[in-house]
Amino acid sequence: SQQGEEDPQALSIQEGENATMNCSYKTSINNLQWYRQNSGRGLVHLILIRSNEREKHSGRLRVTLDTSKKSSSLLITASRAADTASYFCATDLTVTGANNLFFGTGTRLTVIP
Amino acid sequence: EAGVAQSPRYKIIEKRQSVAFWCNPISGHATLYWYQQILGQGPKLLIQFQNNGVVDDSQLPKDRFSAERLKGVDSTLKIQPAKLEDSAVYLCASSPQVAGFKQFFGPGTRLTVL
Repeated sequence: SQQGEEDPQALSIQEGENATMNCSYKTSINNLQWYRQNSGRGLVHLILIRSNEREKHSGRLRVTLDTSKKSSSLLITASRAADTASYFCATDLTVTGANNLFFGTGTRLTVIP
Repeated sequence: EAGVAQSPRYKIIEKRQSVAFWCNPISGHATLYWYQQILGQGPKLLIQFQNNGVVDDSQLPKDRFSAERLKGVDSTLKIQPAKLEDSAVYLCASSPQVAGFKQFFGPGTRLTVL
């Protein structure tokens, strides 16, 4: 499969704690993106990290990318109840001549108030 | 800026019936995608359009699924005939560029096939 795999599948933390989600993939990528999906909603783009970048920040989000290990991590600091959602990593690959995103199965994060 | 619009939001049909979904991307976005998301899984790309041309439809089950994007704007995805395993959320996304850019997703259409 060309999809990434997230770990853990589910994560439950207290409000204020940090949440870390990991993503592993199998092939060389153009970039890696993280998306959030609230229950019953579409996906919202969080952050994009290019293959030549190692770390990127956006507000309370920190993403790292290790292309040698084919892995990425998403850290959410000082979590809030509103962060409760599923988080997906998506690898941007060139397949059959087209750039496409391949999504993992997601990490379901629950932040307890 | 208006987001990606999809309709209907929910649809329930019997197996072997046909169904169509509609998507209106963000104005000016050249690239449009249709994804299938089965419960508990991540989205899987079905088809990608660049303007009104198909860029990639390698994962579209062409015996029953079809899609078009007339005039390079709105798009429709059709299933005919539907099977039980087609029950899923169908997501439409758009992007201003073909490659290396984030995608903007619509709210999706939840299809239940009985």
